Amino acid sequence: DIVMTQSPDSLVVSLGERATINCKSSQSVLYNSNNKNYLAWYQQKPGQPPKLLIYWASTRESGVPDRFSGSGSGTDFTLTISSLQAEDVAVYYCQQYYSPLFTFGPGTKVDVK
Amino acid sequence: EVHLVESGGGLVQPGGSLRLSCATSGFTFRDHWMSWVRQAPGKGLEWVANTKEDGSETFYVDSVKGRFTISRDSTKNSVYLQMNSLRVEDTAVYYCARPHYDVVIGRKTYFDYWGQGTLVTVSS
Repeated sequence: DIVMTQSPDSLVVSLGERATINCKSSQSVLYNSNNKNYLAWYQQKPGQPPKLLIYWASTRESGVPDRFSGSGSGTDFTLTISSLQAEDVAVYYCQQYYSPLFTFGPGTKVDVK
Repeated sequence: EVHLVESGGGLVQPGGSLRLSCATSGFTFRDHWMSWVRQAPGKGLEWVANTKEDGSETFYVDSVKGRFTISRDSTKNSVYLQMNSLRVEDTAVYYCARPHYDVVIGRKTYFDYWGQGTLVTVSS
């Protein structure tokens, strides 16, 4: 199984400042035949189901603000919130769909200072 | 508009059984894989099971293999999770989720739609 790890476990950022979350997979999730990274990012607020933010590691889902961006390839990925807003307080998860056995990272909690 | 609505959660004793249902609408059900994902109280997300469009293939996380069975009924546009031999550690909110089908690569991919979840509590 592909194991996903995230860092940090939590971070506190001032409004308007940048938040950076890292995700690492135990093996590459880059599919060489189409040069796509099978990696997604989700946002989850308390009491709500997860919401898709980013897929193919860097493609923003429709309706997601452009302050959210994804980058990385192979085994190392990053979710960046360029200017943190109050409504971005949530837990963020990465997920690989390279393997038929999907796996999620443990999550990173983002809070406002 | 796509809707996924779970039902069937509740309180069950260890060793007991429960069947979760997920009623779907707003898309062509028979064209999509379907999944269950769970979240223990205060914990992260854990993918549980996938079923292929026609139910001919299923995949499970190791911790539920041999105890849980995912199935689907195209006549009812519904997916199910039969949970047997339940353990305290199975306590969680169970979400029904739809993997997006990418027609270019011909594969299921990221989860683009989620239900609101149903709570399963395993306790004596």
